[in-house]
Amino acid sequence: AQKVTQAQTEISVVEKEDVTLDCVYETRDTTYYLFWYKQPPSGELVFLIRRNSFDEQNEISGRYSWNFQKSTSSFNFTITASQVVDSAVYFCALSPTTSGTYKYIFGTGTRLKVLA
Amino acid sequence: EPEVTQTPSHQVTQMGQEVILRCVPISNHLYFYWYRQILGQKVEFLVSFYNNEISEKSEIFDDQFSVERPDGSNFTLKIRSTKLEDSAMYFCASRWGKGTEAFFGQGTRLTVV
Repeated sequence: AQKVTQAQTEISVVEKEDVTLDCVYETRDTTYYLFWYKQPPSGELVFLIRRNSFDEQNEISGRYSWNFQKSTSSFNFTITASQVVDSAVYFCALSPTTSGTYKYIFGTGTRLKVLA
Repeated sequence: EPEVTQTPSHQVTQMGQEVILRCVPISNHLYFYWYRQILGQKVEFLVSFYNNEISEKSEIFDDQFSVERPDGSNFTLKIRSTKLEDSAMYFCASRWGKGTEAFFGQGTRLTVV
């Protein structure tokens, strides 16, 4: 089965706190891609990061960082020093390669509320 | 910056009516997708399109749905006879290559009454 689990439905933090959004995936594919998207209140889906299954190097981009651990099938996302503008729904997505279409399988999303 | 454009942004239709949702993908992209998001829920795959044909469709994508790329730039999703449960946000997405990130349009909110 191909599946993405985002167990945290909603998280509230106070501005400047660090927050980690969890993502656990299931796939039998040996080659796959993982993504994070942000959906602000305006509704669009904004790409944040892409990772392929062979690249376990963690990545940092400004206040954002991602921790990919193949051993635990997790691809967690941390926001350091959160800001009100980070308030959004965050989706983790798996793109398996076996079917050839590389469609996205999304998790249910985590709603992040950053309070001033 | 190139972007995926969807029209209309919001459509209200009566149950049983046909609707056509339109998308203009990024021009050099080769892979096209439709997804939908029922309010407050996750984003679900509907169909993928490559080389002028459907490459995969989900269980949701039944005979009431069809896709076309009529003129090499537009990419449309047609729902022949809408049902109340078709009410959702529909997203078009395109990507240049299979492993690259997909870029999403701003969505069309379809409301069936």
